[in-house]
Parts: sequence; structure tokens; C-alpha cells
Amino acid sequence: EAGVTQSPTHLIKTRGQQATLRCSPISGHTSVYWYQQALGLGLQFLLWYDEGEERNRGNFPPRFSGRQFPNYSSELNVNALELEDSALYLCASSALAGAYEQYFGPGTRLTVT
Amino acid sequence: LAKTTQPISMDSYEGQEVNITCSHNNIATNDYITWYQQFPSQGPRFIIQGYKTKVTNEVASLFIPADRKSSTLSLPRVSLSDTAVYYCLVGDYDKIIFGKGTRLHILP
Repeated sequence: EAGVTQSPTHLIKTRGQQATLRCSPISGHTSVYWYQQALGLGLQFLLWYDEGEERNRGNFPPRFSGRQFPNYSSELNVNALELEDSALYLCASSALAGAYEQYFGPGTRLTVT
Repeated sequence: LAKTTQPISMDSYEGQEVNITCSHNNIATNDYITWYQQFPSQGPRFIIQGYKTKVTNEVASLFIPADRKSSTLSLPRVSLSDTAVYYCLVGDYDKIIFGKGTRLHILP
């Protein structure tokens, strides 16, 4: 069974640009979660989507947004990129909505210059 | 939201049993306790989850006392490959906080 996949693996953008990150959950999983992990820091919860709707978001500004598609894949958009947005962005999925038993993808390394 | 407290780091030797304790004094009745393992530049990996008493799987055991104000992740006979950061999560899905975790370093 395929795990959570994310694309791209690496993304380099300049300050002020927009970044789009993509995630495909494990087949059958309807919940998708996004996390940010800046260098040396713990995981910060960004967004949770379930059945196409945003269920909750962490303490991040509105320029972090996303959506979930009918096939349960998800997209994270970061507008007006700032240098401190440089981080590993992780996507996870779960079989049950809001479950703590989540399965993570390999992440997208975003570098903002 | 239950806040968790874990040791920042721990060292142990290959072949030893390692116990990592997490404190969560204000755990709510419906909260589960979940542990993850993370290697550098990788996503966390689910290890184990429990509600009370003891849970065991092929990787670890989780001990939860009756008051549920703490929990202990037990890793039997660790190897060098168990060097990682271990996160304890407690709470509901309303707001998910991983915290900084415990950096476990296994020595030969």
C-alpha cells in the first residue's frame, strides 16, 4: 500500500512569491493535516482538512491556506513568502477524522531566499 | 488542551531498555496518549497509542497509570537505529501540538 506522498521534494522561492505544495493521502484516508517544521524546532500544526472542508487551523497568518480535493488530495498555498517560511512542510493523513494516529509523508523542503 | 512535558534529551546504550516519561497533568477524560518517532529530515512515524493501563505492540510498550497524568514509552533492547526524537501527544484533534520531544541518543 502506498504511503503519503508529497511534491515537490524541494522548492526554492524568493521572498514575496507564492508556493504551492501538494499531498496525496493514503488510499482510504479522508483527513489530511499540514505541519511546518522549521530548522531545530518542533512540528507546528498548520491545517486540517476532512471531507473537503477545513476543520481546524493552527496559529498561522491567513497567507497560509489550502484546500482538499474530491479525491482527498490536498494543496497548501503560502502567499507573500517570507524568509522565516523556510522549513520542512509535512503532510499527514489519517483514516479517522482528527485522529492522532497519523501517517506522514516525506515532506517538502521550502527554501525562501 | 493538555500540555505535555518530556525530557529534552536522553542517552542510552545498545541493548538497554529505554523508558521515556511524559507528564500531562491536565489530561481530559476523552484524551488519548500517542507517541511518535522522528528521524532527521523525515516525517514522524506513529509508534503507539493508548488510553489507560498498558499497551504493547511489536515496537514498544506504553504504560499509563490509573490517574493518567503521565505515561511512559518503553523501548526494549534499543539499537543505534533508535536514535531519534520521540514526541508525546495528548489531547483531542481540536488543536494538535507536538512540542519539542525527547532527543534519544543511543551509544554503542
